[in-house]
Amino acid sequence: QSALTQPPSASGSPGQSVTISCTGTSSDVGTYKYVSWYQHHPGKAPKLMIYEVSQRPSGVPDRFSGSKSGNTASLTVSGLQAEDEAEYYCSSYAGSNSMIFGGGTKLTVL
Amino acid sequence: QVQLEESGGGVVQPGRSLRLSCAASGFTFSSYGMHWVRQAPGKGLEWVAVIWYDGSNQYYADSVKGRFTISRDNSKNTVYVQMNSLRAEDTAVYYCARDTEMYYVSGTLDYWGQGTLVTVSS
Repeated sequence: QSALTQPPSASGSPGQSVTISCTGTSSDVGTYKYVSWYQHHPGKAPKLMIYEVSQRPSGVPDRFSGSKSGNTASLTVSGLQAEDEAEYYCSSYAGSNSMIFGGGTKLTVL
Repeated sequence: QVQLEESGGGVVQPGRSLRLSCAASGFTFSSYGMHWVRQAPGKGLEWVAVIWYDGSNQYYADSVKGRFTISRDNSKNTVYVQMNSLRAEDTAVYYCARDTEMYYVSGTLDYWGQGTLVTVSS
């Protein structure tokens, strides 16, 4: 199964908003509510930022939001801050107790 | 608080075996499915395997099926992955992670370890 498709890079200035897309298929993103987003700083453990398409875990700022339309999910980061600079990965449940990740998007805060 | 700590990484020759461990604390380990996820150098995250909360079922990515075996010891709060017939392309940081749901697999990973590096090289 191929990875979900994410743009390799995204950028924005402090205070701006940026949206990262994640395109899958009807076998994963298009079918299941279990679409998640993870923030990954080099050398650290990935951190869950969004789960079930649009839910935020406790402690994640409300500047992070998620949505889904058809086979494409999106992560929007509003009010960009320097500490938001990281790699972001989407993932989806893919049936039969498996999951799949996106290729990752490097978010740069200009 | 929830903690996951991987160990067992290192340098291993192609074709050889290695077993990674992940010690868990801060939650009822026997109620959650556990995953292994890896990241090869310069690459993205790749799901490797999952084991049900009670160890009764295991599922694998095609890339490791038949070579890797995930297991768990709920009395020791530890999940393992036995990696056999290792290849250069298995070189990666290996993370263990907890599934967010109790008693079934959702593929949402709410806690991760710091990872352990496995290098397959002659």
